[in-house]
Amino acid sequence: GDSVTQMEGPVTLSEEAFLTINCTYTATGYPSLFWYVQYPGEGLQLLLKATKADDKGSNKGFEATYRKETTSFHLEKGSVQVSDSAVYFCALVNSGGYQKVTFGTGTKLQVIP
Amino acid sequence: EPEVTQTPSHQVTQMGQEVILRCVPISNHLYFYWYRQILGQKVEFLVSFYNNEISEKSEIFDDQFSVERPDGSNFTLKIRSTKLEDSAMYFCASSHPRRDEQFFGPGTRLTVL
Repeated sequence: GDSVTQMEGPVTLSEEAFLTINCTYTATGYPSLFWYVQYPGEGLQLLLKATKADDKGSNKGFEATYRKETTSFHLEKGSVQVSDSAVYFCALVNSGGYQKVTFGTGTKLQVIP
Repeated sequence: EPEVTQTPSHQVTQMGQEVILRCVPISNHLYFYWYRQILGQKVEFLVSFYNNEISEKSEIFDDQFSVERPDGSNFTLKIRSTKLEDSAMYFCASSHPRRDEQFFGPGTRLTVL
């Protein structure tokens, strides 16, 4: 079945540091890939998405590129802020069917001033 | 911007009691979903719903669970006889038929004592 694997957290960075959160996936077909963010005490917000190979999703300074050859969708940001502290979930929706989201385990990011 | 809403934000119940969690999806969406997140764990798919019937359900979604769209706006998840292990955050989501991203509500934290 479909699965998403994320790097273990927590990740602790200083403000303005470079962020990478690794994500790889296994899926049949041609999935769409997503990053969701969950701020403390809040629900899940869509951060960015990519629907086909080589697409780059971007939002709020975060980027991720859909790499079919390595089945990866790593999240990056050039300069993190304290307000980026949250849990980040990599996810996929497979083509066809009724579009259930398969989530990774989540990576907690803590940014310290 | 339209959003998914959920009530209540926190529900405390005794083991064996029935609970109903309520969601109002985005108005022009046609696919509806429930997910749950046990504290500290990944977000897990429970069920998807389209055209007034369940389209897919996970192995978690046993006979104790049911979903309903009682009117044109609400979407509910009922747990008939709650167990301690049902304690989790429950997220409702909805999606438009022509787009693959799902929009999540803020969640209902269910605590079973």
